Amino acid sequence: GAVVSQHPSRVICKSGTSVKIECRSLDFQATTMFWYRQFPKQSLMLMATSNEGSKATYEQGVEKDKFLINHASLTLSTLTVTSAHPEDSSFYICSAPWGGSGANVLTFGAGSRLTVL
Amino acid sequence: DAKTTQPTSMDCAEGRAANLPCNHSTISGNEYVYWYRQIHSQGPQYIIHGLKNNETNEMASLIITEDRKSSTLILPHATLRDTAVYYCIVGGAQKLVFGQGTRLTINP
Repeated sequence: GAVVSQHPSRVICKSGTSVKIECRSLDFQATTMFWYRQFPKQSLMLMATSNEGSKATYEQGVEKDKFLINHASLTLSTLTVTSAHPEDSSFYICSAPWGGSGANVLTFGAGSRLTVL
Repeated sequence: DAKTTQPTSMDCAEGRAANLPCNHSTISGNEYVYWYRQIHSQGPQYIIHGLKNNETNEMASLIITEDRKSSTLILPHATLRDTAVYYCIVGGAQKLVFGQGTRLTINP
């Protein structure tokens, strides 16, 4: 089946630094990928839609200059958290749609847990 | 995307069928019903989806009412590994928005 790989699974960084998270579709091409964020004991919140070869579409309230998304190929999207602060500590999860005519079945990565000190 | 309503939590005995309800009274004609689950600290896992007809796969069955305003996910023989948060989502061909889900606990 379709597999999405995320890296790193865990990252700890100092406040003010930038962190890059990679999301790869391993056995299929993804022109679109979705980035979610999840705080403890909360549901997933959609941050942005990553579009191959064009700009990402951000959800309301998500700072595009803070969360840089690059979708340079059909199998790779990256999320860079710039000038990270402790409040950016969260579980970041990417997903990509596969299969299905009309249905948007998403396969998710295992997530990346970011801790900002 | 249409909004869904699910119970906050449910318990089920191991080996029994777990029936998870979901209300989606504002679903539109071209929107699918999706079910995902998330085991603690992992990415969500796809379970099943449907449009109008009932669906079954190796993981679960999905029963959608005729008016499509509600659905039930059935795990036929729940095991301890089925303990997770289950999300019912309705949507079309684009992004999926997650609600709060149902925390299902399977008890030995």
